[in-house]
Amino acid sequence: DADVTQTPRNRITKTGKRIMLECSQTKGHDRMYWYRQDPGLGLRLIYYSFDVKDINKGEISDGYSVSRQAQAKFSLSLESAIPNQTALYFCATSAEPGLAGSSYNEQFFGPGTRLTVL
Amino acid sequence: AQSVTQPDIHITVSEGASLELRCNYSYGATPYLFWYVQSPGQGLQLLLKYFSGDTLVQGIKGFEAEFKRSQSSFNLRKPSVHWSDAAEYFCAVARMDSSYKLIFGSGTRLLVRP
Repeated sequence: DADVTQTPRNRITKTGKRIMLECSQTKGHDRMYWYRQDPGLGLRLIYYSFDVKDINKGEISDGYSVSRQAQAKFSLSLESAIPNQTALYFCATSAEPGLAGSSYNEQFFGPGTRLTVL
Repeated sequence: AQSVTQPDIHITVSEGASLELRCNYSYGATPYLFWYVQSPGQGLQLLLKYFSGDTLVQGIKGFEAEFKRSQSSFNLRKPSVHWSDAAEYFCAVARMDSSYKLIFGSGTRLLVRP
């Protein structure tokens, strides 16, 4: 079974609709992240969370909101979707630095959600 | 501000040929550097990482990368490319502040000729 899962894997929606992308992980990590990927731009950070009570904005948080329902779940919402939010969205998790003997722990990515806003 | 540049958008190599993907970073302190690979329809998988120590690091799938502080580079290499290596490759640098955010390059798409 995958350690980081995302639902749905593909979604087509219309302008103005509210949509939620969900991420679940079984790795036991405290830290979770949401990125979007656009051709030629790499991955850009939308929001990140270091524990259930911690939410932080990333580079491109405008138009998005998140909810950390539990250690294992981190949802991304588009309150009113617009066409330029068409992208590939990735969830990632990482352990707290300092654990397992390293000062930085790698991020583990889900398979992505392809979102199209018409 | 930290940044990562991957100057090659696309690279095409023949199967069996050697490969080098370029990555340059901008960061004031000793960087934590990563290479990820994204196969079609898949998420990102970590190939290798550099934190400190030996500047030549070995990764999975036969990849290696060399950290050169004087050139601010962390180029990815493979001596003999396989068709299954066709994918998009991302270099990233970690911010060493409380966020530990990853800053990604724009990616290099590798095409492999039979």
